[in-house]
Amino acid sequence: NAGVTQTPKFQVLKTGQSMTLQCAQDMNHNSMYWYRQDPGMGLRLIYYSASEGTTDKGEVPNGYNVSRLNKREFSLRLESAAPSQTSVYFCASSDQVHNEQFFGPGTRLTVL
Amino acid sequence: RKEVEQDPGPFNVPEGATVAFNCTYSNSASQSFFWYRQDCRKEPKLLMSVYSSGNEDGRFTAQLNRASQYISLLIRDSKLSDSATYLCVVNMGGYQKVTFGIGTKLQVIP
Repeated sequence: NAGVTQTPKFQVLKTGQSMTLQCAQDMNHNSMYWYRQDPGMGLRLIYYSASEGTTDKGEVPNGYNVSRLNKREFSLRLESAAPSQTSVYFCASSDQVHNEQFFGPGTRLTVL
Repeated sequence: RKEVEQDPGPFNVPEGATVAFNCTYSNSASQSFFWYRQDCRKEPKLLMSVYSSGNEDGRFTAQLNRASQYISLLIRDSKLSDSATYLCVVNMGGYQKVTFGIGTKLQVIP
């Protein structure tokens, strides 16, 4: 099992450009999450999807959109990137019952 | 008060030492608790869940004190490979959201 995979691993954007971060899990988990991690601030939840077909805002959703394409895939879109969105983005999934989360390797995004 | 608070450290300890971290949480209704380990420039990985009765996994012991609203992680006989950041995680329950602490950095010195 690959677990949770994310693409791309690295990305540099110019202000105003758009991009989609991809995430997939093969553990048959119902719940999936997108976080950003910034120095001194820890992980902050952007959006989550409790189950296929549902999505909800987390702590810092502004500037982002998500799509739960199917049970396996959960994508994060930046419509118009801003320098404040420079961060490391992690996707995670969990078994709904236990809520232990499994993370992907992350995407390091720089917005110039 | 932050929902989950941790001392960011760093904690510098010699090999073989015992070290303990605490993490406090503000929501008394919190239902589940975890410790994650994060190596530099890597993703967080589950170290252990924290149960009301306390639990042990080899050199690692986790405890929960609901009355004082904190969880702890004890590492005995520290190894160089234990050097990492340890994240405290609290689940408020009722919906699929968790709150992460900023992490405590541990550096084990030869």
